[in-house]
Amino acid sequence: RKEVEQDPGPFNVPEGATVAFNCTYSNSASQSFFWYRQDCRKEPKLLMSVYSSGNEDGRFTAQLNRASQYISLLIRDSKLSDSATYLCVVPQNTGFQKLVFGTGTRLLVSP
Amino acid sequence: EPEVTQTPSHQVTQMGQEVILRCVPISNHLYFYWYRQILGQKVEFLVSFYNNEISEKSEIFDDQFSVERPDGSNFTLKIRSTKLEDSAMYFCASSSGDRDQPQHFGDGTRLSIL
Repeated sequence: RKEVEQDPGPFNVPEGATVAFNCTYSNSASQSFFWYRQDCRKEPKLLMSVYSSGNEDGRFTAQLNRASQYISLLIRDSKLSDSATYLCVVPQNTGFQKLVFGTGTRLLVSP
Repeated sequence: EPEVTQTPSHQVTQMGQEVILRCVPISNHLYFYWYRQILGQKVEFLVSFYNNEISEKSEIFDDQFSVERPDGSNFTLKIRSTKLEDSAMYFCASSSGDRDQPQHFGDGTRLSIL
């Protein structure tokens, strides 16, 4: 299994749709996880942190399944501005928290 | 909101030349990182830096690369003799280092090697 694996997409959805992305990771010792958002040729920006079973922030919900080693991101009521690449990020279990990135899942929200 | 800043935003250099990429991390952060992203590929870890020394580096970070924090605010990445394959976006990041705290990224330097 790759360290962090994501479906690259693209996911094409209409405005208002609900969309979900999955991510699998190989390091069973990982304790925390992040979803970052990256716009074209821009820096990754933190979207959500996931420490326990899940986290919710407005239209965004992240869930963690440690037994199956996957993390999901659910976006409800999609907006045009949600169009971006969503990066699943897993810190290595070291003291200095080297981040391992997935390839990202591209989301395109259309009118 | 405090942010990580990077300069220059775009650097064009001839192959074989030295480049220095600069970063100013968030002021109360203690851990500093460089990542790179080749066009169309994923973000890759290069190096982490804490207490004025490298704490971890990847296989990409060979003898051509070096980092330093010369004055307590700037954090630099030097590539001594650039190669075509060094062309990429280079992102600096910093964190407080507290467990589970996220890293905050600068907006990157686009390095183009001719």
